[in-house]
Amino acid sequence: RKEVEQDPGPFNVPEGATVAFNCTYSNSASQSFFWYRQDCRKEPKLLMSVYSSGNEDGRFTAQLNRASQYISLLIRDSKLSDSATYLCVVNLPTDSWGKLQFGAGTQVVVTP
Amino acid sequence: NAGVTQTPKFQVLKTGQSMTLQCAQDMNHEYMSWYRQDPGMGLRLIHYSVGAGITDQGEVPNGYNVSRSTTEDFPLRLLSAAPSQTSVYFCASSYSRQAGQEKLFFGSGTQLSVL
Repeated sequence: RKEVEQDPGPFNVPEGATVAFNCTYSNSASQSFFWYRQDCRKEPKLLMSVYSSGNEDGRFTAQLNRASQYISLLIRDSKLSDSATYLCVVNLPTDSWGKLQFGAGTQVVVTP
Repeated sequence: NAGVTQTPKFQVLKTGQSMTLQCAQDMNHEYMSWYRQDPGMGLRLIHYSVGAGITDQGEVPNGYNVSRSTTEDFPLRLLSAAPSQTSVYFCASSYSRQAGQEKLFFGSGTQLSVL
């Protein structure tokens, strides 16, 4: 089993709609979670950090479910510019420093 | 403030050639790292450094060397390129790896093809 798993998609979303997708992780001791956004052929950029139960930033909401070991990302009122691949990143407590483990990404395509 | 500067953007090598990917950051970040990204797979850590003079292996270190002589620079060397090293490479840095300070800043990437 992969340490961090994501549905690769694509999630095809009409403009203005809501889309949500999950990321599961295998290490129950993980404490820090992140969503990065990656546009085609570009570098990843941090979208949100999640250290407790969840986080909200405008149209984006991240939720953490420790019992089921997954985090979710919800995008409301989708814009064409939200089309991207969303990478889930989990800080695995391998040592005192931790190790950032990346999921393979979920592709979101927002259509007019 | 340039952030993380990574060069070159594109490179084609023949099998057996060597080369160095350059990475520099001007944010006084303690932690620097190199990742490779292949289709259908998450970014995989090649090597990382937690400070000048300190480097360690990630999950896919074979065929790569690194050094960290200064806080700013973290070059990645391919010793003898192989087709399996065809990938997109990203350099990334963060203030540290401690909780709350792990935000990674990425370079713009290098598309490497080994023929």
